[in-house]
Amino acid sequence: AQTVTQSQPEMSVQEAETVTLSCTYDTSESDYYLFWYKQPPSRQMILVIRQEAYKQQNATENRFSVNFQKAAKSFSLKISDSQLGDAAMYFCAYRGENSGNTPLVFGKGTRLSVIA
Amino acid sequence: GAGVSQSPSNKVTEKGKDVELRCDPISGHTALYWYRQSLGQGLEFLIYFQGNSAPDKSGLPSDRFSAERTGGSVSTLTIQRTQQEDSAVYLCASSRRVIMASPLHFGNGTRLTVT
Repeated sequence: AQTVTQSQPEMSVQEAETVTLSCTYDTSESDYYLFWYKQPPSRQMILVIRQEAYKQQNATENRFSVNFQKAAKSFSLKISDSQLGDAAMYFCAYRGENSGNTPLVFGKGTRLSVIA
Repeated sequence: GAGVSQSPSNKVTEKGKDVELRCDPISGHTALYWYRQSLGQGLEFLIYFQGNSAPDKSGLPSDRFSAERTGGSVSTLTIQRTQQEDSAVYLCASSRRVIMASPLHFGNGTRLTVT
């Protein structure tokens, strides 16, 4: 079974600085998608960024980018120019090629604090 | 509304009582998921519906948990004879299609507290 590991339960960053959140996963599938979701205090999970395993170029969405290392099964999230509104729980998630009936598999999350 | 709607937002119940949690997915989304988020934990998959196919119930933790989806739209998650360990946030999500790339769109969840 696929597993997703987020080794940092909590992280903090100064406003305007850059922070990297770690995620590793375990799978035997060759094609899959990886996602980062943000969960603010409102509880709603918001998609931040996604990456297909077959694409070599790292995905970027404004201040958010990923460092995808397929061989190492690593998928870290970099937040540049951190803002107070970035404070939230961040979840890494995996969805595989046989996902016709397979939901997203989530890590346990990293709580990010942004210090003014 | 445009997003996934869940009700109630918060629910407090006594141990042993039954509860029903409701999810109204985004219009046109054929796939609907229920997840449970316990304190300090990630999201635990419970059940998944896709169109008119039989639901994937593989994540339900016990036979006290059940869910249905009427008319391919609104879903209800029912927990019978609630226990204190059922206290958690229950999140519903929907997606347009069941393919890898389809992101899940989540509601704000229902926080269930069993006293």
